[in-house]
Amino acid sequence: RKEVEQDPGPFNVPEGATVAFNCTYSNSASQSFFWYRQDCRKEPKLLMSVYSSGNEDGRFTAQLNRASQYISLLIRDSKLSDSATYLCVVNWGPKTSYDKVIFGPGTSLSVIP
Amino acid sequence: DAGVIQSPRHEVTEMGQEVTLRCKPISGHNSLFWYRQTMMRGLELLIYFNNNVPIDDSGMPEDRFSAKMPNASFSTLKIQPSEPRDSAVYFCASSQHGGAQHFGDGTRLSIL
Repeated sequence: RKEVEQDPGPFNVPEGATVAFNCTYSNSASQSFFWYRQDCRKEPKLLMSVYSSGNEDGRFTAQLNRASQYISLLIRDSKLSDSATYLCVVNWGPKTSYDKVIFGPGTSLSVIP
Repeated sequence: DAGVIQSPRHEVTEMGQEVTLRCKPISGHNSLFWYRQTMMRGLELLIYFNNNVPIDDSGMPEDRFSAKMPNASFSTLKIQPSEPRDSAVYFCASSQHGGAQHFGDGTRLSIL
């Protein structure tokens, strides 16, 4: 099993649609989780952290399921500007290597007019 | 606030030449990361430092690659000798302990 897995897509959705991405991770000791977005030929940028109780930031909602070792990202009312690759990021422990994170391969989203 | 600063933005050089990439992390961040990104392999962690000390270099491809962090505000990634398969985008990122990483704009490296 790969360390962090994502459906590569591409997801092609119309404007205004709701789209959900899932990500699974193999390290049960992981403590920190993030979603990043990366635009073509640009650097990855933090979209949001993922908290145990789930969290929302505007149109974006992140959920964590530790028992099943997956995290999700829900985007409501998709905008053209949401078109990007979304990267799931999981920290890798152990404590001696706490800051090490693993980036998933990314899921490509295209929002169509 | 200044973000992570990388230089050069673009580098084109012939195989066999030495390449040096530079990074200035965000002030106050104590962890620094070097990544390489290609279409085929995605984003790969090469090495990371915590408080200027290399913690994990298991991602460094081979002895041709080396990285240093002489102080809290500067790091280099060196490739010597360079090969065409080293062509990629190299990102530097920094974070505070356990926090999210912030990336520089990257260096687009082409080895001819």
